[in-house]
Amino acid sequence: GAGVSQSPSNKVTEKGKDVELRCDPISGHTALYWYRQSLGQGLEFLIYFQGNSAPDKSGLPSDRFSAERTGGSVSTLTIQRTQQEDSAVYLCASSLVGLQTNGYTFGSGTRLTVV
Amino acid sequence: GQQLNQSPQSMFIQEGEDVSMNCTSSSIFNTWLWYKQDPGEGPVLLIALYKAGELTSNGRLTAQFGITRKDSFLNISASIPSDVGIYFCAGPNAGGTSYGKLTFGQGTILTVHP
Repeated sequence: GAGVSQSPSNKVTEKGKDVELRCDPISGHTALYWYRQSLGQGLEFLIYFQGNSAPDKSGLPSDRFSAERTGGSVSTLTIQRTQQEDSAVYLCASSLVGLQTNGYTFGSGTRLTVV
Repeated sequence: GQQLNQSPQSMFIQEGEDVSMNCTSSSIFNTWLWYKQDPGEGPVLLIALYKAGELTSNGRLTAQFGITRKDSFLNISASIPSDVGIYFCAGPNAGGTSYGKLTFGQGTILTVHP
């Protein structure tokens, strides 16, 4: 696609429920990243994919968080047993080959609210 | 871990004023990136800097790569209302790899009063 697409754009869920957030990267981009942005905070790295593999998942905050990528394209971030502190904007980004010096292209994010 | 410190945290200025913000790190960076995030959107890359001492412009934006390689500055001249947003500095993770995550600063929130 023309840009990085994320869905849903907004999600309200009850505490304890599982949620899935989806990211469609730019076509042909092999690298994909998930970041989290809490209110008034900077961007917190969660996980990095190169193709379908995740060489760096050091930012996942707990074992309730997981992510996968299939076909070198779409990625899904899953949060199990959501907690109120999971409320944040979840941003996905992609880049052509993952070279840090080129920066990334971000999607508009999914705003998750846990009530 | 590696951290980037941005200042100021927020700025309230009048339309037409110039703006300056900076980003510092305790470790050396080989690349500095500046992003802008409009409300409700993801960050967008504004300027990339690749060499110590480099000064790069993009319209009314000017950014500099500090000579010590531990800081960078972003200036906006003659601000307009659409400059409102959050400005982030970012750099590659230290550790010898050229691929993977970027580290982001906490952001500078800019408000422009017409």
